[in-house]
Amino acid sequence: SYVLTQPPSVSVAPGNTARISCGGTNIGRKSVHWYQQNPGQAPVLVIYHDSDRPSGIPERFSGSNSGNTATLAISRVEAGDEADYYCQVWDTTDDHSVVFGGGTKLTVL
Amino acid sequence: QVQLQESGPGLVKPSETLSLICTVSAYSISSGYYWGWIRQPPGKGLEWIGSIYQSGSTHFNPSLKSRVTISVDTSKNQFSLKLSSVTAADTAVYYCARHAQSHGLLWYFDYWGPGTLVTVSS
Repeated sequence: SYVLTQPPSVSVAPGNTARISCGGTNIGRKSVHWYQQNPGQAPVLVIYHDSDRPSGIPERFSGSNSGNTATLAISRVEAGDEADYYCQVWDTTDDHSVVFGGGTKLTVL
Repeated sequence: QVQLQESGPGLVKPSETLSLICTVSAYSISSGYYWGWIRQPPGKGLEWIGSIYQSGSTHFNPSLKSRVTISVDTSKNQFSLKLSSVTAADTAVYYCARHAQSHGLLWYFDYWGPGTLVTVSS
């Protein structure tokens, strides 16, 4: 089965850019989606199809995807961005299946 | 604004069947999306359970497929989840969500319910 690998944690100072990676074999050939989850709340879609932003998501959130790594970037990080972030793909290599990464805890220093 | 709401027992005994319903508001469940279930054990990550189309077409997580039934009731604008033979490992927050798709490919979950905690314990 397809595996998505995320770093357990990323730390960033306010105002800087946070980058969260999502690794997978030839992930650049797949469409990657990203979710933000605050404690006790449901996930919120922040990036879909690698780099598109849903309405209401700040332009500070961006995504890219190439080769074996997809990346979520959050520029001008604010305290309110501290949350868990998950990447997700639809895998058709074996079973047709949704796959989530293990999640990354973003800490704003 | 599309809204989803999970409902069902918060406590299920081991070996029994977990049953949840997701009620969709402000959007017709028959309007071209898949509808999915995702769970999250306490302190852990997200795990997809399965998704269903209005027609009844389904996709399941291979690791759960043998125990999962997902059905849709378009007349009530609801879809449901049944997970059989539960153990403590099935204790989790269960979310329902709208699952975008096109041309047979499933994409992202754009609207989520608030989630409901189901505990498996005797």
